[in-house]
Amino acid sequence: DAGVIQSPRHEVTEMGQEVTLRCKPISGHDYLFWYRQTMMRGLELLIYFNNNVPIDDSGMPEDRFSAKMPNASFSTLKIQPSEPRDSAVYFCASSRQGVVKTQYFGPGTRLLVL
Amino acid sequence: TQLLEQSPQFLSIQEGENLTVYCNSSSVFSSLQWYRQEPGEGPVLLVTVVTGGEVKKLKRLTFQFGDARKDSSLHITAAQPGDTGLYLCAGAGGSQGNLIFGKGTKLSVKP
Repeated sequence: DAGVIQSPRHEVTEMGQEVTLRCKPISGHDYLFWYRQTMMRGLELLIYFNNNVPIDDSGMPEDRFSAKMPNASFSTLKIQPSEPRDSAVYFCASSRQGVVKTQYFGPGTRLLVL
Repeated sequence: TQLLEQSPQFLSIQEGENLTVYCNSSSVFSSLQWYRQEPGEGPVLLVTVVTGGEVKKLKRLTFQFGDARKDSSLHITAAQPGDTGLYLCAGAGGSQGNLIFGKGTKLSVKP
């Protein structure tokens, strides 16, 4: 079975450019999460969706960040305009509804903003 | 705000040594999970503990959930270089679908 799929795996861009990260969750999972990981701050939850509806976006740093989930099998995280401080590894994860909320992570997108 | 604090932040040991890492909070969690993350990959679930006082073993790894369901520990016996990685604990707080992650313990086991 395919796990969570993320693309691209690596992205290098210049400050001010738009960046779009993509995620395909595991089929049948009800929840989708976007995280950012840095050495300084660890794994930070940015936003999560339940049945394609955004539930909590309090972790989104600022208006430059936006996320969408147009259907159960696809989500995007967009940064516009990008800044050097956005450089990090961005993870997408999905999980099923239930008491035990095991999250399955994708391989991540390593973003470098110059 | 629910927080999980992990200690130590970094740990470097020789192959064959034993170690324990800790995950503490002032909040009660309905369940707690441990994940391991290897370089260049996403975190992968190791174990879930649900009942206060519960102990689970996974080969050389022993996981314990505190009686009050506020803390947990991970003990590794006779560590091997393959145990190297970032160990993250994560708590489920209630009806919400998200997990609260600690910042992790970065373990390096030298041959």
